[in-house]
Amino acid sequence: DTAVSQTPKYLVTQMGNDKSIKCEQNLGHDTMYWYKQDSKKFLKIMFSYNNKELIINETVPNRFSPKSPDKAHLNLHINSLELGDSAVYFCASSQEENEQFFGPGTRLTVL
Amino acid sequence: GEDVEQSLFLSVREGDSSVINCTYTDSSSTYLYWYKQEPGAGLQLLTYIFSNMDMKQDQRLTVLLNKKDKHLSLRIADTQTGDSAIYFCAEGVAYSGAGSYQLTFGKGTKLSVIP
Repeated sequence: DTAVSQTPKYLVTQMGNDKSIKCEQNLGHDTMYWYKQDSKKFLKIMFSYNNKELIINETVPNRFSPKSPDKAHLNLHINSLELGDSAVYFCASSQEENEQFFGPGTRLTVL
Repeated sequence: GEDVEQSLFLSVREGDSSVINCTYTDSSSTYLYWYKQEPGAGLQLLTYIFSNMDMKQDQRLTVLLNKKDKHLSLRIADTQTGDSAIYFCAEGVAYSGAGSYQLTFGKGTKLSVIP
């Protein structure tokens, strides 16, 4: 069974559209994260949620909004997509201590 | 600010040992990690080391930590073609005691294994 899953795996869309990426974890973890990996493979954290509370927001534009309907899900909603949003977005989860488990990534292409 | 540095490329022959190096700057790091990313795939946690340890060995993998120099290395013994991937070093810092760990990643080292 997949521990951290994301949908869709690929997303191609036009500039200006609004889209969502979904993430689910079945590990019972308390904290979930979103990371962005750009075309040069640089990884940056965007958000984390712990018990439905936003813990970290690394100067991400407010066009990006994480939404957590429950502890097992952290979705990423993006408004007014821009070309520079094209990247691979990774969801991850952790329980307290150390290991963050990553999803397979969603490759977003904005045309 | 915090920064994690690693060389971008490494090429080794099959059967040789690979050593990937990383330096970090945040002395409050609690854990240091090595992740592997194969082409088109997500990140896979390879191993991690707690900041008060010097060394950790796990089968073909050996992690060495020099906390004084803030230097971390990953040694892969008997490197195989299946080890070809990008390896990310990351430092983890606990955030506000809320159970969240912020990971800062290096830019990744692309390991190419020559048959």
